[in-house]
Amino acid sequence: GQSLEQPSEVTAVEGAIVQINCTYQTSGFYGLSWYQQHDGGAPTFLSYNALDGLEETGRFSSFLSRSDSYGYLLLQELQMKDSASYFCAAQDQNFVFGPGTRLSVLP
Amino acid sequence: GAVVSQHPSRVICKSGTSVKIECRSLDFQATTMFWYRQFPKKSLMLMATSNEGSKATYEQGVEKDKFLINHASLTLSTLTVTSAHPEDSSFYICSARGRTSGIMHKMGETQYFGPGTRLLVL
Repeated sequence: GQSLEQPSEVTAVEGAIVQINCTYQTSGFYGLSWYQQHDGGAPTFLSYNALDGLEETGRFSSFLSRSDSYGYLLLQELQMKDSASYFCAAQDQNFVFGPGTRLSVLP
Repeated sequence: GAVVSQHPSRVICKSGTSVKIECRSLDFQATTMFWYRQFPKKSLMLMATSNEGSKATYEQGVEKDKFLINHASLTLSTLTVTSAHPEDSSFYICSARGRTSGIMHKMGETQYFGPGTRLLVL
């Protein structure tokens, strides 16, 4: 079977750093993606890791450890507009989405 | 980045009617399109995968006779919810994956989501 786990909620203040973890169990694995979804909107692509290590894209970074079946999304210099749900998705033949983590950024 | 559109964005229909949702890739050829359903505060659940010119592959538990998918061209896929019932009310999202010119591990960057269609069945 395929399953992913993420924390359900995270709360932080503006300017802080937040790490959202994701563990996965899939029969096959090509890589791990991260998506952001604001209420009422569609998911938007943030990052993709196929290889171990850290990928940095501006304020967001994503990390993957294939041996640990684990990845995380790191959000720095949090802004109010970062309040959203964040989904990890493991790519096998298709994408399997995690349950999502709701991030609330407080002033 | 690549653009995927969906139409309509919202639809309200009576129970028993059929609803068609269109998904278009506007600036790239979508070799594969995915249809997801998302209930409030839940994750995206893959319903089916369709490749241009072939029958869709449905996930376990998704009724193919109820959710008809047609991927007639490299830029258009349609999802028809037949004989809709209130329990079919949900947020339906398509995504499209294009031709990849890069190496295999970059496939993940080429799945682009449409804006979603909110279906309410009364």
